[in-house]
Amino acid sequence: DTGVSQDPRHKITKRGQNVTFRCDPISEHNRLYWYRQTLGQGPEFLTYFQNEAQLEKSRLLSDRFSAERPKGSFSTLEIQRTEQGDSAMYLCASSPRRGGEQFFGPGTRLTVL
Amino acid sequence: DAKTTQPPSMDCAEGRAANLPCNHSTISGNEYVYWYRQIHSQGPQYIIHGLKNNETNEMASLIITEDRKSSTLILPHATLRDTAVYYCIVRSLEGTASKLTFGTGTRLQVTL
Repeated sequence: DTGVSQDPRHKITKRGQNVTFRCDPISEHNRLYWYRQTLGQGPEFLTYFQNEAQLEKSRLLSDRFSAERPKGSFSTLEIQRTEQGDSAMYLCASSPRRGGEQFFGPGTRLTVL
Repeated sequence: DAKTTQPPSMDCAEGRAANLPCNHSTISGNEYVYWYRQIHSQGPQYIIHGLKNNETNEMASLIITEDRKSSTLILPHATLRDTAVYYCIVRSLEGTASKLTFGTGTRLQVTL
């Protein structure tokens, strides 16, 4: 399967804990996006990488959130000191070019107790 | 990016055409209309996009009005597997990220 993969698919954590999610984009795609989706809503943009450079961040991405793409391949999204409001589906997408279609992974569902 | 308006839900009988409308009255001349769908518990899937001409691919057809203020996504022969939330997105290809701005979409239920 050469699609976008995300790990883990599900994560349950207690409030105050740190969590880290991983995204592996389609191999030749240099553009990578993170989105967050809460129940009943469409996905909301969090941040964007072109190769290893993080070029855009939404105001939704508070100081507790950090994303990296160290070698321009896989990416990680870390949430520190999780809150119940962080419970959501975290989606990763990749694209081969500016304005190209974005291919989404299956998402990581986070539940903060 | 311009805002879109879609009906919250629609039903369609299997085998019939599903016509999903979208209003985007504030669309700018350089903004495209994109359609994605999201099947339950999966990530969104690209369907089709267009600027001002009608477009067709193996999944669907996209009809954009001449004034570009609205569009219709057509699934010619809906099947049960087409049951999903369909998102109409107006997207500018300018700017750094060219991100997608999703609304709440239309929940299409295909029935026997």
